[in-house]
Amino acid sequence: NAGVTQTPKFQVLKTGQSMTLQCAQDMNHEYMSWYRQDPGMGLRLIHYSVGAGITDQGEVPNGYNVSRSTTEDFPLRLLSAAPSQTSVYFCASGQGASNSPLHFGNGTRLTVT
Amino acid sequence: GEDVEQSLFLSVREGDSSVINCTYTDSSSTYLYWYKQEPGAGLQLLTYIFSNMDMKQDQRLTVLLNKKDKHLSLRIADTQTGDSAIYFCAEKDGTGFQKLVFGTGTRLLVSP
Repeated sequence: NAGVTQTPKFQVLKTGQSMTLQCAQDMNHEYMSWYRQDPGMGLRLIHYSVGAGITDQGEVPNGYNVSRSTTEDFPLRLLSAAPSQTSVYFCASGQGASNSPLHFGNGTRLTVT
Repeated sequence: GEDVEQSLFLSVREGDSSVINCTYTDSSSTYLYWYKQEPGAGLQLLTYIFSNMDMKQDQRLTVLLNKKDKHLSLRIADTQTGDSAIYFCAEKDGTGFQKLVFGTGTRLLVSP
């Protein structure tokens, strides 16, 4: 059972480039989300989805797009990367119940120069 | 919006107890969580507490909740070097699903 798989693990982009961070889960979870982790700021929610075809914005959505065409996949797109998007990105999924855990991927470390 | 605050760093000796504190602002929080992050990995759920409880014990872990003061703590008994990690407090926001608001994280360093 793979859980939540994120690719790539590391990425370096130049300012203005675009890329997609991939996230896939094999637990049939309805809920999926993207967080970014920055030193001294904890994790901040970028976007989330409560099922295929349904997405919504989190706390820091600017500069990021998402889509949810299947239950398994929840890619995060950076259309025009900026140095402020240098961060570690985590995808998480869950069953939707409050007393069940969020399952996290191992993260993608992104550097924008 | 909701805000969750933690101290950034805690250092203890092996065998001592560790207490990690957290304050939150959303009085409608129904669940509060403690997650652990080891180097190079994602977060893993350690334990959670429902807002109508004031204490929960799970082996070496004790969670205390003071809802009046919006204060949550995690006590780790007999702390081991393997407990060295970053610990995040999180609250579930009032809008439902599993949208969690995380604190800044407390880095726990356990020395032999």
